[in-house]
Amino acid sequence: AQKVTQAQTEISVVEKEDVTLDCVYETRDTTYYLFWYKQPPSGELVFLIRRNSFDEQNEISGRYSWNFQKSTSSFNFTITASQVVDSAVYFCALSEVEGSGGYQKVTFGTGTKLQVIP
Amino acid sequence: ETGVTQSPTHLIKTRGQQVTLRCSSQSGHNTVSWYQQALGQGPQFIFQYYREEENGRGNFPPRFSGLQFPNYSSELNVNALELDDSALYLCASSLDPKTLFRFFGPGTRLTVL
Repeated sequence: AQKVTQAQTEISVVEKEDVTLDCVYETRDTTYYLFWYKQPPSGELVFLIRRNSFDEQNEISGRYSWNFQKSTSSFNFTITASQVVDSAVYFCALSEVEGSGGYQKVTFGTGTKLQVIP
Repeated sequence: ETGVTQSPTHLIKTRGQQVTLRCSSQSGHNTVSWYQQALGQGPQFIFQYYREEENGRGNFPPRFSGLQFPNYSSELNVNALELDDSALYLCASSLDPKTLFRFFGPGTRLTVL
């Protein structure tokens, strides 16, 4: 069974600080996808990144970067020079093929609430 | 802007009632999935439809049912509402496997009294 653990429930940082959100996953599949989403107070899930299990290259997008390490089953997310607009709940998720129907099922972590203080 | 819309935005029902939530996808998005997100939790997978057929289901009872229509809209129906059904309901749609789980709607917040 697949599982995603986000051990940090809430994090508060002062604006311009760097912050890393941790994500640890469990899966028995060799082929899977990992995701990060941002959920502002409005509730909509905003897609940030998708990474497949065969691509361990780290990725940087502006102030955002992601570190994928299969050896530790982790897919951590770092925000550099945080801003107040980064305040939101961030979810890590894992998808893999499920069942005889072969559909992709996604499992979300419980989320990390990030508060950036001006 | 994901191109996925949901209606209504908010809904209040009483225990035992039935509710229908709607999701409208971009043209060509033949896969739609629905999620329940309780307060303070991550979204939980309810079920997925592909070309109007249910092809996957999470741990939700049969009183949660769905439909997908040829015009790429879909419905989530919940019968015999319970207090624990109060949650944000999200749908996601995609055109092909490469974009699965990329486009989510804004959600419908259901309150059961």
